[in-house]
Amino acid sequence: GAVVSQHPSRVICKSGTSVKIECRSLDFQATTMFWYRQFPKQSLMLMATSNEGSKATYEQGVEKDKFLINHASLTLSTLTVTSAHPEDSSFYICSATTGARWAYEQYFGPGTRLTVT
Amino acid sequence: ILNVEQSPQSLHVQEGDSTNFTCSFPSSNFYALHWYRWETAKSPEALFVMTLNGDEKKKGRISATLNTKEGYSYLYIKGSQPEDSATYLCASHTGNQFYFGTGTSLTVIP
Repeated sequence: GAVVSQHPSRVICKSGTSVKIECRSLDFQATTMFWYRQFPKQSLMLMATSNEGSKATYEQGVEKDKFLINHASLTLSTLTVTSAHPEDSSFYICSATTGARWAYEQYFGPGTRLTVT
Repeated sequence: ILNVEQSPQSLHVQEGDSTNFTCSFPSSNFYALHWYRWETAKSPEALFVMTLNGDEKKKGRISATLNTKEGYSYLYIKGSQPEDSATYLCASHTGNQFYFGTGTSLTVIP
């Protein structure tokens, strides 16, 4: 149980285009989903927290107009990188919780490698 | 930003060897310490969650200890096997957010 899928696993896009990444909880309802970014040799850094049906909360330094997050249902959250630039190339990974005792239950997707050319 | 450090950054051991690595975290604002096992191209898998000073958890050949007063946790693997090869991540949870270390990459040589 507690499986989270993420698609695509890899994407290459041209500078200026937008890319959408999906994060789905397959066998549970995720009231809260998190989006992280990881640069090479660095740790996972939280970008934003999204709760179903409400606006995402972005961490300091993360541009909300550039990284659009939608959490339209209890099983799906999407991250759209708008007008992507080479510096947005990174590894993006989502996680989901049931919301109850979320300190103990954070289930990750396998991540998406984004390369912007 | 909380500074969570893991050491060593990478480790190569022979099959059958036992090994351990360290996660250091600020002891203030501590809520829980998480260990994850992350194989390439897969999702990080939760290993342990520990909250109390002195906690010890065990899962098969893998165990972990927690010292919240001095801000560290050890992960031990007894009799390493090639399938243990992965990156081991720790994360300190403050009650509001998770702060991850950069991971220890373990390679077990058959």
